[in-house]
Amino acid sequence: DGGITQSPKYLFRKEGQNVTLSCEQNLNHDAMYWYRQDPGQGLRLIYYSQIVNDFQKGDIAEGYSVSREKKESFPLTVTSAQKNPTAFYLCASNREDTEAFFGQGTRLTVV
Amino acid sequence: SQQGEEDPQALSIQEGENATMNCSYKTSINNLQWYRQNSGRGLVHLILIRSNEREKHSGRLRVTLDTSKKSSSLLITASRAADTASYFCATDAAGGSYIPTFGRGTSLIVHP
Repeated sequence: DGGITQSPKYLFRKEGQNVTLSCEQNLNHDAMYWYRQDPGQGLRLIYYSQIVNDFQKGDIAEGYSVSREKKESFPLTVTSAQKNPTAFYLCASNREDTEAFFGQGTRLTVV
Repeated sequence: SQQGEEDPQALSIQEGENATMNCSYKTSINNLQWYRQNSGRGLVHLILIRSNEREKHSGRLRVTLDTSKKSSSLLITASRAADTASYFCATDAAGGSYIPTFGRGTSLIVHP
């Protein structure tokens, strides 16, 4: 079955620690996205990539980093510079001008 | 930057009633999409309507688009308790790079 997979489902981060969220898709989509969702809020764009080896900052990129070495994979690293990382993180992919497919999300909590 | 804004923020209805949600946006678009999100889960695509379309149907869902008013509506007919979820509209800017930009969503509760 084609789809988009995020892991882990739950992640706990200690102060000052970097953590990496995984996102893999087998839909052969060129574009991939990372969004952050806070309680009761909409989705805010962190980073996006429209082609392998290229990515662009979204609206709230500070404290985050990404890579796009393979078409299928778009991992997100939450660095220690992100002061308020507790949130629900969603990865998505799409083809140009079509609907987006989402993973099931990763809930990150600072402990 | 938030492109779409849904209205109302919250909607509570009885099973069997219709639910209408609205979305307004700011700039010209290629298409507008509606998504559903169950609590703690990812978003699921419901309907995509292109800028040259005015109305689309899918089962109990009806979407309209008025580009002159930069607005869209999602109608769920004969609602069920299982329709309880948050609903989001997303747009991508015309002439842009097809990046879905989301509003804050409408939280729908359908009481059995």
